Amino acid sequence: QKEVEQNSGPLSVPEGAIASLNCTYSDRVSQSFFWYRQYSGKSPELIMSIYSNGDKEDGRFTAQLNKASQYVSLLIRDSQPSDSATYLCAVNGVRGGTSYGKLTFGQGTILTVHP
Amino acid sequence: GAVVSQHPSRVICKSGTSVKIECRSLDFQATTMFWYRQFPKQSLMLMATSNEGSKATYEQGVEKDKFLINHASLTLSTLTVTSAHPEDSSFYICSASRGDSSYNEQFFGPGTRLTVL
Repeated sequence: QKEVEQNSGPLSVPEGAIASLNCTYSDRVSQSFFWYRQYSGKSPELIMSIYSNGDKEDGRFTAQLNKASQYVSLLIRDSQPSDSATYLCAVNGVRGGTSYGKLTFGQGTILTVHP
Repeated sequence: GAVVSQHPSRVICKSGTSVKIECRSLDFQATTMFWYRQFPKQSLMLMATSNEGSKATYEQGVEKDKFLINHASLTLSTLTVTSAHPEDSSFYICSASRGDSSYNEQFFGPGTRLTVL
């Protein structure tokens, strides 16, 4: 089992729809969870971070965390063509049973928003 | 805040030469910096973790003598690719963690695209 696993893509949604991106992680000790967006040929950009169970909203983005289920998701409302990118789920690393600074990334989900 | 710069953004060099890439945190102190490489259509691969004033910790399979990392201050880390060869051609990206945060979020630089001829 991979440490961080994202739903397989690519994901294609029409403009204006809700895009739902999912991620599961294997280590219960993980405490920090991040979503990065990476455009083709560019470096990742941090768009959401979440540390507590529940929802966190920032503009059109909502991150959801369920530590009991070891599940984190990202919802993008009113999707725009400019949202088309690869979305990376990242979880802070675990070593010796405790969390530390290294991030473990999922393989990424390619999102395409078509007009 | 949390801006990370990298220089150069693109470099083309001849096989056998060494290339130095700089990574700077512009508006915060970075206790830890990370170096990644990314091949086309693949995910990020962590190469090493560096802490200011101490030796870098390299991931398994990364040659420390080939990829020299120096974290000279809380705002600067450098990666030197020594005796570069065409197989070292890749997209190198640094990231930095804020020293004043316990959540370990990483902020990425814009990346350096290295082409070795």
